[in-house]
Amino acid sequence: NAGVTQTPKFQVLKTGQSMTLQCAQDMNHEYMSWYRQDPGMGLRLIHYSVGAGITDQGEVPNGYNVSRSTTEDFPLRLLSAAPSQTSVYFCASTNRLLGTQYFGPGTRLLVL
Amino acid sequence: AQTVTQSQPEMSVQEAETVTLSCTYDTSESNYYLFWYKQPPSRQMILVIRQEAYKQQNATENRFSVNFQKAAKSFSLKISDSQLGDTAMYFCAFMKEGPGASGSRLTFGEGTQLTVNP
Repeated sequence: NAGVTQTPKFQVLKTGQSMTLQCAQDMNHEYMSWYRQDPGMGLRLIHYSVGAGITDQGEVPNGYNVSRSTTEDFPLRLLSAAPSQTSVYFCASTNRLLGTQYFGPGTRLLVL
Repeated sequence: AQTVTQSQPEMSVQEAETVTLSCTYDTSESNYYLFWYKQPPSRQMILVIRQEAYKQQNATENRFSVNFQKAAKSFSLKISDSQLGDTAMYFCAFMKEGPGASGSRLTFGEGTQLTVNP
């Protein structure tokens, strides 16, 4: 049982490039979320999903896309990277019975 | 919308002593969860303790306990017998209870950096 996994751990992009951050969970959780964490701040919600085929925007969705074709996977796409997207990105999945979110190890992204 | 406020950006404590981290929140919801997460230098987000709003009894997990005051919308974390490994950023977080999108949305405070000194 790996929990929530994220790849890559670290990525450097140039402005304008696109990329996909991968997230997978093996706990059969319906709910998954993406957050970003900027220096000195708490986590802010980017997008979330309440099940396969269902996604919605969070607090800071601009510049990001998501899709959810399976229960296990919830990738986050940066369409055209900007320096303002330099951050640490966390994926999480929720055990609804416990009302508790479990986080992946994070992806550190640097946009030059 | 919910807000979570942690008014102590930094705190320090001597090893083996007790420290309390403060958190207040604002919501119009009746049913919700409150959490404390720990983030050590590895950046991993680790769940420390959770509280269901409908429960009057304060949650405890080994050396960690909370003081949950629902009417005052206060949720403080007490760490007893502090250890060097407790050094980390601590985040207070709120989640609505119920169906729909509630289970996907955590609202975080800005964090308190705790340093345990030998």
